[in-house]
Amino acid sequence: TQLLEQSPQFLSIQEGENLTVYCNSSSVFSSLQWYRQEPGEGPVLLVTVVTGGEVKKLKRLTFQFGDARKDSSLHITAAQPGDTGLYLCAGGDSNYQLIWGAGTKLIIKP
Amino acid sequence: NAGVTQTPKFQVLKTGQSMTLQCAQDMNHEYMSWYRQDPGMGLRLIHYSVGAGITDQGEVPNGYNVSRSTTEDFPLRLLSAAPSQTSVYFCASSRQGGSLGTIYFGEGSWLTVV
Repeated sequence: TQLLEQSPQFLSIQEGENLTVYCNSSSVFSSLQWYRQEPGEGPVLLVTVVTGGEVKKLKRLTFQFGDARKDSSLHITAAQPGDTGLYLCAGGDSNYQLIWGAGTKLIIKP
Repeated sequence: NAGVTQTPKFQVLKTGQSMTLQCAQDMNHEYMSWYRQDPGMGLRLIHYSVGAGITDQGEVPNGYNVSRSTTEDFPLRLLSAAPSQTSVYFCASSRQGGSLGTIYFGEGSWLTVV
């Protein structure tokens, strides 16, 4: 059974600080996606990474796919209250079913 | 743009009752799916469809039925509600399967079974 473990489960920091959240597995994925979910809404796709070692940037967010395509990280620089939310990672294989992590709940305090 | 529309937003059911969660998308996507989200467990796939007339089971299909008579609609039926089905349900659609395409989610349906 493929599993994706996200850490930390919960993170509360002050505005302006930097942070990194992780998504780890013992399985290899063909691609990996990161989503952000705000309270009362569905997840929204942030990025898809497909190549081992790939780095993608989305403004202050930096996403990296591990060289072996088993893990990924999300780094936020100078966090802002608008970054608050639940961050989910999902790994994909050749089938339609995605493997989802349980999420990291992030709170940025003003 | 409506995207993925789910109804109802909130529902309380008594044990043993049946109900249907409605889902419609206006993006002409072939792939549609239903997930449930429980605290600490992430999203779990209930059923999915790769096109009209084709459905298949996901990770947690027991107690749920689906049908896909049109490209736009993908209702989820709870046959005989149980307290274990208390959860938040999300309908999703995408142009392609796997994790290469963007999955668009509805806003969720909060279901409580008492």
